[in-house]
Amino acid sequence: GAVVSQHPSWVICKSGTSVKIECRSLDFQATTMFWYRQFPKQSLMLMATSNEGSKATYEQGVEKDKFLINHASLTLSTLTVTSAHPEDSSFYICSARRHWDTDTQYFGPGTRLTVL
Amino acid sequence: GESVGLHLPTLSVQEGDNSIINCAYSNSASDYFIWYKQESGKGPQFIIDIRSNMDKRQGQRVTVLLNKTVKHLSLQIAATQPGDSAVYFCAENLTQGGSEKLVFGKGTKLTVNP
Repeated sequence: GAVVSQHPSWVICKSGTSVKIECRSLDFQATTMFWYRQFPKQSLMLMATSNEGSKATYEQGVEKDKFLINHASLTLSTLTVTSAHPEDSSFYICSARRHWDTDTQYFGPGTRLTVL
Repeated sequence: GESVGLHLPTLSVQEGDNSIINCAYSNSASDYFIWYKQESGKGPQFIIDIRSNMDKRQGQRVTVLLNKTVKHLSLQIAATQPGDSAVYFCAENLTQGGSEKLVFGKGTKLTVNP
């Protein structure tokens, strides 16, 4: 149990376009989901915390108007990279947490975004 | 041996040897720590965790040691296998502003030579 999926697994887009990445908890309800970004050979950096039914909380330095997060249900959070540019190319990883287990995050397989 | 690259420290070991991966964490108030394994192009995979009221925890072939005095974690892998080759991250669970979040360390790339 506790499986998290992401879609798509990879995406290539042109500069200036928007890209939506989905994160789903397949077999549990996730009141909180997290979005991370990972550049090559670097660590995971938390971008934002997404709570079901409320606005996401963004980390310092992350533009909320550029990285739109919607957590409309207990099993789905989406990250939309608006007006993507080559510097947004990265590995985006989500994780999900059950409401009663605040310690454990279940990670998705990641989405590789390449902006041309 | 272990070396520190521009971004990612690396550790090379021979198959069958024991591996020790180290991590320094930043916040003395952190009360929960996790080790993750990340293979190329995949998401992090949970290995083992430890709470701050413990200094050692053992799993299958893995042991985590916690030294709160110097804010140091280590992951020991016994009888390292080629399948253990991956990047290993420690993470601390940080409570900030009433919410909890994970802060990841820099990671160490483990290469197991057959």
